[in-house]
Amino acid sequence: KQEVTQIPAALSVPEGENLVLNCSFTDSAIYNLQWFRQDPGKGLTSLLLIQSSQREQTSGRLNASLDKSSGRSTLYIAASQPGDSATYLCAVPSGAGSYQLTFGKGTKLSVIP
Amino acid sequence: NAGVMQNPRHLVRRRGQEARLRCSPMKGHSHVYWYRQLPEEGLKFMVYLQKENIIDESGMPKERFSAEFPKEGPSILRIQQVVRGDSAAYFCASSRGEPTEAFFGQGTRLTVV
Repeated sequence: KQEVTQIPAALSVPEGENLVLNCSFTDSAIYNLQWFRQDPGKGLTSLLLIQSSQREQTSGRLNASLDKSSGRSTLYIAASQPGDSATYLCAVPSGAGSYQLTFGKGTKLSVIP
Repeated sequence: NAGVMQNPRHLVRRRGQEARLRCSPMKGHSHVYWYRQLPEEGLKFMVYLQKENIIDESGMPKERFSAEFPKEGPSILRIQQVVRGDSAAYFCASSRGEPTEAFFGQGTRLTVV
């Protein structure tokens, strides 16, 4: 059974800092890994999708890396801004099927102006 | 190109009533997934549907919950005789196929009073 853990559960940083969010998963037989952003009371916004054959993906100030063998992914946010404040979720396909995503509980990020 | 559309955004039901949640996938997407997010919990997979077919309902509670994705119209998640424990955010996602990137709607927040 796939399990996803995200550390830390919450993070508060001053504006402008670079930061790293961590995600670990137990079953490394995955097709891909997705990072999402969830704002309070809102839906999920897909940030980055990394295929299993890739080591990293970049979008603007975001960079996600994937190490399948160790069951880890990191989301790096450069030059953080108050608008980055949200909960960041990591999701991987469950072992039962590629369509069924298993989510971590997320990291709640607060960027202080 | 509109994203995944869910309605209503908020739904209040009294115990014992029925709740109907609707989801229109992104244009060109024929795969629909429903997830539930309980307070302080991660998102949990409920059901995966393609047009007129339930592919995997392993995450659905055995009683009171049902889902459909008819040939025409949106996917419907139906909860009969709601109880307080059904209060949660229900998210719908769609994709072109598997394993491809899933896009999520804004969610329906169900409150049972």
